[in-house]
Amino acid sequence: DGGITQSPKYLFRKEGQNVTLSCEQNLNHDAMYWYRQDPGQGLRLIYYSQIVNDFQKGDIAEGYSVSREKKESFPLTVTSAQKNPTAFYLCASTPTGLGQPQHFGDGTRLSIL
Amino acid sequence: SQQGEEDPQALSIQEGENATMNCSYKTSINNLQWYRQNSGRGLVHLILIRSNEREKHSGRLRVTLDTSKKSSSLLITASRAADTASYFCAHLTGANNLFFGTGTRLTVIP
Repeated sequence: DGGITQSPKYLFRKEGQNVTLSCEQNLNHDAMYWYRQDPGQGLRLIYYSQIVNDFQKGDIAEGYSVSREKKESFPLTVTSAQKNPTAFYLCASTPTGLGQPQHFGDGTRLSIL
Repeated sequence: SQQGEEDPQALSIQEGENATMNCSYKTSINNLQWYRQNSGRGLVHLILIRSNEREKHSGRLRVTLDTSKKSSSLLITASRAADTASYFCAHLTGANNLFFGTGTRLTVIP
């Protein structure tokens, strides 16, 4: 079955450490997105990519970095510059075309040790 | 902020009752989408209503859109315990990006 796989499900970060969250999709979707969700809150857009080798900052990109070397993969690195990284991170993808519904992975919960 | 707001923030009903959630937004939209999120999981798309539509149905779901009031509502009829989840509205603007509301947490009591 096609879908989006995020790993790991839980991740712990030490002070000063960079960590990378994986997102892989086999839906053949062009666009991919990273969101951050804090408890009881909606989703905030971190980065998005409409096509391979191209990505744009979302609303809260500071302290994060991404790459899009393959259509299927859109990893997110939470850098040490992100001072409050504890959150639930969601990856999504959508096919080409305005207004297509987004398909989500099951998230990675990141905590600070 | 371009984000929408859902109302109420939390809703608790008995199984079999109807649940209504409202969503307001601030900008012009191309479409408005509703998503469901079970605890600790990703979001699942439920229904999309375009800006030129006023009402849409999908099974036990009914969505309305009033662009003059910049608001939408999601009605779940004959609720079940399995409907317990958070529900988010999201509207599409700009470069195919979705802006999500803060969500309504629905609890259906068996």
